[in-house]
Amino acid sequence: QLQLQESGPGLVKPSETLSLSCTVSGDSVSSSSFYWGWIRQPPGKRLEWIGTIYYGGNTYYNPSLNSRVTIFVDKSKNQFSLKLTSVTAADTGVYYCARPSNGIRDWGQGTLVTVSS
Amino acid sequence: EIVLTQSPGTLYLSPGERATLSCRADQPVSDNYFAWYQQRPGQAPRLLIFRASTRATGIPDRFSGSGSGTDFTLTISRLEPEDLATYFCHQYGSLPYTFGQGSQLEMK
Repeated sequence: QLQLQESGPGLVKPSETLSLSCTVSGDSVSSSSFYWGWIRQPPGKRLEWIGTIYYGGNTYYNPSLNSRVTIFVDKSKNQFSLKLTSVTAADTGVYYCARPSNGIRDWGQGTLVTVSS
Repeated sequence: EIVLTQSPGTLYLSPGERATLSCRADQPVSDNYFAWYQQRPGQAPRLLIFRASTRATGIPDRFSGSGSGTDFTLTISRLEPEDLATYFCHQYGSLPYTFGQGSQLEMK
């Protein structure tokens, strides 16, 4: 059974870089059958698709965040990770990792990241 | 990007009643790549419906989805107390994938 677990700092200072990892259990992050994504939910707002990493390493980033986002895979740890640079208070929210497949059945539990000095 | 607008914002119903939630897209959703989720406080969303009308594994048959193009509906035929939650729609046919703002189901 697939399990996804986010990890990373819960507090990030403005202008710094938010870094999160998602550890995958029950599947290989190198699988050619699926791709992996990050989604966030600011307080009181709708879910926002951050980006996706596909088999072979190709990525897609939401244009609203494009210049600040990087998603990459660490095969040795069976993880995929998110980096978001130059954060502001608007980046505060719950961050989810997910394995999309006809919608999203598989989600991490979510991790709250607060941007504050 | 495709903007999804859900209605109503909040729905007040009693157990046993029927709930009808709507989601409208400002552009047609490609190939009906459209989903509905349930989210309880403090939990990740739970997939209910994909491809507009297919129930996900383990979802009770009181949940059903319909619609195509720009108008989609989630129906809960006989409300149970555990259905108290927020429901989101989602299109995954066009990048960037987008979500509705949510409809909150509250029990009378």
